[in-house]
Amino acid sequence: EADIYQTPRYLVIGTGKKITLECSQTMGHDKMYWYQQDPGMELHLIHYSYGVNSTEKGDLSSESTVSRIRTEHFPLTLESARPSHTSQYLCASSTNAGNTEAFFGQGTRLTVV
Amino acid sequence: GNSVTQMEGPVTLSEEAFLTINCTYTATGYPSLFWYVQYPGEGLQLLLKATKADDKGSNKGFEATYRKETTSFHLEKGSVQVSDSAVYFCALGPRAGNMLTFGGGTRLMVKP
Repeated sequence: EADIYQTPRYLVIGTGKKITLECSQTMGHDKMYWYQQDPGMELHLIHYSYGVNSTEKGDLSSESTVSRIRTEHFPLTLESARPSHTSQYLCASSTNAGNTEAFFGQGTRLTVV
Repeated sequence: GNSVTQMEGPVTLSEEAFLTINCTYTATGYPSLFWYVQYPGEGLQLLLKATKADDKGSNKGFEATYRKETTSFHLEKGSVQVSDSAVYFCALGPRAGNMLTFGGGTRLMVKP
């Protein structure tokens, strides 16, 4: 079993609220990622990090922000949630080695009402 | 750039039927290839992988062979079970930054 954890698993929140989705891994991986998964299942990379103090935007533009202050922690924040942010958010991590797999958390299902 | 194309679903099969989910890719160099599975309400789990041409990855009765000549990595299982119902993602890596490129996913539904 992969040691990467996301909290909460499910979140229903009102429009305009600030939220933070938590992601932690205990594998010592340098690289971490956030994906947004739409109802059609496709995965969209929205943020990634190569290590502490490194954050980059992914393929899909997102109003969320991330931080990487500690190797094991990669939280995602929405300053003002909107219904269009309703989605499944998946966190993942991997080592620096080439051609290696990513390990995924169980996901956070966010609903903004 | 790298890209992955999977057959569109849903794929609906009866229990004990043979499964094939097609996956083809475009990439420079010699990427590794992966199949991930996502059960309802869960994150993605690595199902199998292959790191070089002609390698066969296998796990839980699923198999896939890395075919460089046809740039394919088709997923197969000889006899599916209801518990195999899930979404399957083909992926290749790495691209710049060692990130995986995912296909669009194929939903499999197995009926008793």
